[in-house]
Amino acid sequence: DAGVIQSPRHEVTEMGQEVTLRCKPISGHDYLFWYRQTMMRGLELLIYFNNNVPIDDSGMPEDRFSAKMPNASFSTLKIQPSEPRDSAVYFCASSLATGRHQPQHFGDGTRLSIL
Amino acid sequence: AQKITQTQPGMFVQEKEAVTLDCTYDTSDQSYGLFWYKQPSSGEMIFLIYQGSYDEQNATEGRYSLNFQKARKSANLVISASQLGDSAMYFCAMSAGFQKLVFGTGTRLLVSP
Repeated sequence: DAGVIQSPRHEVTEMGQEVTLRCKPISGHDYLFWYRQTMMRGLELLIYFNNNVPIDDSGMPEDRFSAKMPNASFSTLKIQPSEPRDSAVYFCASSLATGRHQPQHFGDGTRLSIL
Repeated sequence: AQKITQTQPGMFVQEKEAVTLDCTYDTSDQSYGLFWYKQPSSGEMIFLIYQGSYDEQNATEGRYSLNFQKARKSANLVISASQLGDSAMYFCAMSAGFQKLVFGTGTRLLVSP
């Protein structure tokens, strides 16, 4: 079975440019999560969706960050304009919605460097 | 609010020995889940094992087992017969409703030959 697929794996761009990160969750999963990982702050939940609807975006750092999930098989995280402090590894994860607590399955991440 | 504490920044173990990675948690919820993830140097996050708060038996998955002590609010990961490929960062996490996960700061495990 295919896991969570993220693209690109690496992105290097100059500050001020728009960055778009993409994610395809595991088929049939109801929840999708976007995380950011840095040495200083560890893993931070940015936003998550249930059935394509954003549920909690309280972790989105600023208005420069936005996320969409137009359908069950695709989500984007956009940063516009990008800044050097946005450099991090961004993970997408998905999980099933059932009565029990479900593990989240992560993609391989996008390593973002803003120069 | 939920909180995960991993007090061991780094651990060393020799190949073929067992190692325990510590994790304590704090929550006022009765229903919650505890998870362990492995992050090798290549960067991906790999789900290892899950324990539910109402599960009476400790979870096991191959060489991984979770030593769940509810009264102490601890959920330690035990890796038996360590292998060189076990060298990685290990994160403990918990969920409490709404599918959100709270992660600890991680423990870096180094397995030596």
